[in-house]
Amino acid sequence: GDSVTQMEGPVTLSEEAFLTINCTYTATGYPSLFWYVQYPGEGLQLLLKATKADDKGSNKGFEATYRKETTSFHLEKGSVQVSDSAVYFCALSDGGATNKLIFGTGTLLAVQP
Amino acid sequence: DADVTQTPRNRITKTGKRIMLECSQTKGHDRMYWYRQDPGLGLRLIYYSFDVKDINKGEISDGYSVSRQAQAKFSLSLESAIPNQTALYFCATSDFLGRNEQFFGPGTRLTVL
Repeated sequence: GDSVTQMEGPVTLSEEAFLTINCTYTATGYPSLFWYVQYPGEGLQLLLKATKADDKGSNKGFEATYRKETTSFHLEKGSVQVSDSAVYFCALSDGGATNKLIFGTGTLLAVQP
Repeated sequence: DADVTQTPRNRITKTGKRIMLECSQTKGHDRMYWYRQDPGLGLRLIYYSFDVKDINKGEISDGYSVSRQAQAKFSLSLESAIPNQTALYFCATSDFLGRNEQFFGPGTRLTVL
């Protein structure tokens, strides 16, 4: 079945460092790909998404490109801030009638001042 | 006001007790979902509903039941709680279009002693 694999955390960075969180997927069709962020004590919020190959999703300085040839959707940010500290989830949806999401295990990011 | 609300936010109960978690939404979405989040496992789908007459099992429905009382309300019940149901539970909604994002509530932290 479809699955998502993302790098384990925690990832600890200093403020203004470059961030990459790796995400790869396995899917039989042509899924949509998402990054969700969970701030402490809160629910998940959509950070960005891409619905087809070579699309780039971007928001709040974060970017991810849908790479069909490598089945990847890595999250990047050029300069992280303390306020970016959160858990990041990669997810896919097969776009079928159910619109179910399949999540990776989440990556905790801790940014130190 | 939040678009997706969950009650209670925290609950501690004992083994064997019946528990109901409630979710309400003001987004006007037809689709609603219940997930549980466990450390290192990401989010897993328990049940989902397309409308009040359409309820479907997710990947981990054993030990749970749901009720869709209205378009805006979707409740999750644990008929006889057990300790391994200790987790963070999230409700989510989406519209009828595939490939679209889901909107999450703030979560209910359930502890079964």
